[in-house]
Amino acid sequence: AQSVTQLGSHVSVSEGALVLLRCNYSSSVPPYLFWYVQYPNQGLQLLLKYTSAATLVKGINGFEAEFKKSETSFHLTKPSAHMSDAAEYFCAVSDSGGSYIPTFGRGTSLIVHP
Amino acid sequence: DAMVIQNPRYQVTQFGKPVTLSCSQTLNHNVMYWYQQKSSQAPKLLFHYYDKDFNNEADTPDNFQSRRPNTSFCFLDIRSPGLGDAAMYLCATTSGSSYNEQFFGPGTRLTVL
Repeated sequence: AQSVTQLGSHVSVSEGALVLLRCNYSSSVPPYLFWYVQYPNQGLQLLLKYTSAATLVKGINGFEAEFKKSETSFHLTKPSAHMSDAAEYFCAVSDSGGSYIPTFGRGTSLIVHP
Repeated sequence: DAMVIQNPRYQVTQFGKPVTLSCSQTLNHNVMYWYQQKSSQAPKLLFHYYDKDFNNEADTPDNFQSRRPNTSFCFLDIRSPGLGDAAMYLCATTSGSSYNEQFFGPGTRLTVL
């Protein structure tokens, strides 16, 4: 069984400020972890993924995430927010046991103020 | 470019009038999914195919059906749409390994009048 918790349904930052979106997971086997971004009226697009290689994963658009097994976390960060980062962000987990049905978190809406 | 295509992007139907949404992919992926997404919510899995093997989620209403005539195409049929079926419908694919990400289409926004 696996689950994902995204803390904060909305995160508001100023342009140029640090972005931190939180994701905690639960999995009975080593997980594979994903962050997706969704812009209005669009499908989801992969930002980055963790598949048991490096624990610090770099993705597109300047985002990165760090896998911390002891904290069961996979938080998404970006040093400096842009207005174009305003979107919905979803964390997802698949288990390494072979299931190809990921579990999604409820999503976090990132709001960027000028 | 290889991609997942959904048609139409916007669909308006009347209460009770059947509607079909389509999805095609050029990625040659084994697995295709249909998700329903309502405003400010995570995508909710309706069903998926692994090749021709159909897998229905336990809580997917019987009103929703799907067909996958070949690797590239998948259809979502809503037999009698209700007001509660108004949503974004997302098609996604993956190569069938759990460490591989899903590739999503742009979605079809369904309005039920």
